[in-house]
Amino acid sequence: SAVISQKPSRDICQRGTSLTIQCQVDSQVTMMFWYRQQPGQSLTLIATANQGSEATYESGFVIDKFPISRPNLTFSTLTVSNMSPEDSSIYLCSVPLAGGTDTQYFGPGTRLTVL
Amino acid sequence: QKEVEQDPGPLSVPEGAIVSLNCTYSNSAFQYFMWYRQYSRKGPELLMYTYSSGNKEDGRFTAQVDKSSKYISLFIRDSQPSDSATYLCAMASTNAGKSTFGDGTTLTVKP
Repeated sequence: SAVISQKPSRDICQRGTSLTIQCQVDSQVTMMFWYRQQPGQSLTLIATANQGSEATYESGFVIDKFPISRPNLTFSTLTVSNMSPEDSSIYLCSVPLAGGTDTQYFGPGTRLTVL
Repeated sequence: QKEVEQDPGPLSVPEGAIVSLNCTYSNSAFQYFMWYRQYSRKGPELLMYTYSSGNKEDGRFTAQVDKSSKYISLFIRDSQPSDSATYLCAMASTNAGKSTFGDGTTLTVKP
């Protein structure tokens, strides 16, 4: 199994500012995923981050708003830029289980509140 | 219409009850079916994983997939207060790491 940590665990930010969320995995993985979980709703995939290439964004999410870095096989960051209250959400990173199945390990999440 | 619809809940049962959690889907290409459990203020954790149709049992948990009806279920026997959590169904069509999640059902098991 993979152990995933995220920083910060929670933050309260002002409108118009940016927050960078870090995701650290205890083993090397090719793919990392970033999800958003808005209050009372399910998980929505933001983007897939592959080491050595540009992140692939899902419909409705753009790089200018959610830039992602993937400097190595154990680490990734997601920045939420120019935040508004609508960005208040839990942000989760995940990695696939070994063997490349669609099952995933999730990090504990970052709870973001934008005032 | 959403690709995955999950019974919304919330669901409250007494300890020891049998719990049934259900999802329907519209995409016939889905082949991988997962159930995740999410405790409050935690990330989801994989509970059960099934490929294609059939049943899978793990302790008190049984996952059922009926592809002909596009319907999946998770049964919890002898439910415990520690089972109180939000349960998310998830499905995928390929081995490409992209899952579509249901909205979750929040379960409370009362002692």
